[in-house]
Amino acid sequence: GENVEQHPSTLSVQEGDSAVIKCTYSDSASNYFPWYKQELGKRPQLIIDIRSNVGEKKDQRIAVTLNKTAKHFSLHITETQPEDSAVYFCAASLPPGKIIFGKGTRLHILP
Amino acid sequence: KAGVTQTPRYLIKTRGQQVTLSCSPISGHRSVSWYQQTPGQGLQFLFEYFSETQRNKGNFPGRFSGRQFSNSRSEMNVSTLELGDSALYLCASSLDTGDGKTQYFGPGTRLLVL
Repeated sequence: GENVEQHPSTLSVQEGDSAVIKCTYSDSASNYFPWYKQELGKRPQLIIDIRSNVGEKKDQRIAVTLNKTAKHFSLHITETQPEDSAVYFCAASLPPGKIIFGKGTRLHILP
Repeated sequence: KAGVTQTPRYLIKTRGQQVTLSCSPISGHRSVSWYQQTPGQGLQFLFEYFSETQRNKGNFPGRFSGRQFSNSRSEMNVSTLELGDSALYLCASSLDTGDGKTQYFGPGTRLLVL
């Protein structure tokens, strides 16, 4: 069935270092891969997304890579800052209109 | 543009009761999805409505149902509540254009079943 695996479940990095979160998806029909950030007590907010016809996308300190053959996609955050501490969710869409989320990664930025 | 809104924000019910949650999407958005969020389980997909039709369904029992109105507002109903239904229920709306879509989430309804 449709599944999105996300690793690690918890990640602690020193402020200024990079963080990488990895996801795999099961259905080859998936064509849209968003990443959401959820701060404590708040709603999930889209931070970056990538479509299946693109291999990499970057937005300032955030980048996402997609390997369609291996069904892998990853989130990279460089020069981490305290405000990056949150739970991050990857997701994969299945047309028409279904989006399956991973179980989330709790990112801690250490001072 | 006003964001996605959900009512009520908090709800306390007892086992066996039923509950109805409401979601108003961003103006112009025709797709509304519902998710259940619990610690450690992430966001679990309940169902998605598009133009008043349920287009997708997750793996939840029939006690969970929903509907969408002609103005795209959506309601979710849970009957015969169980303790395990305690969770944050999030809805998200999107334009659903092209081969991908950006979902915008509401603040959620936190349901506690006693």
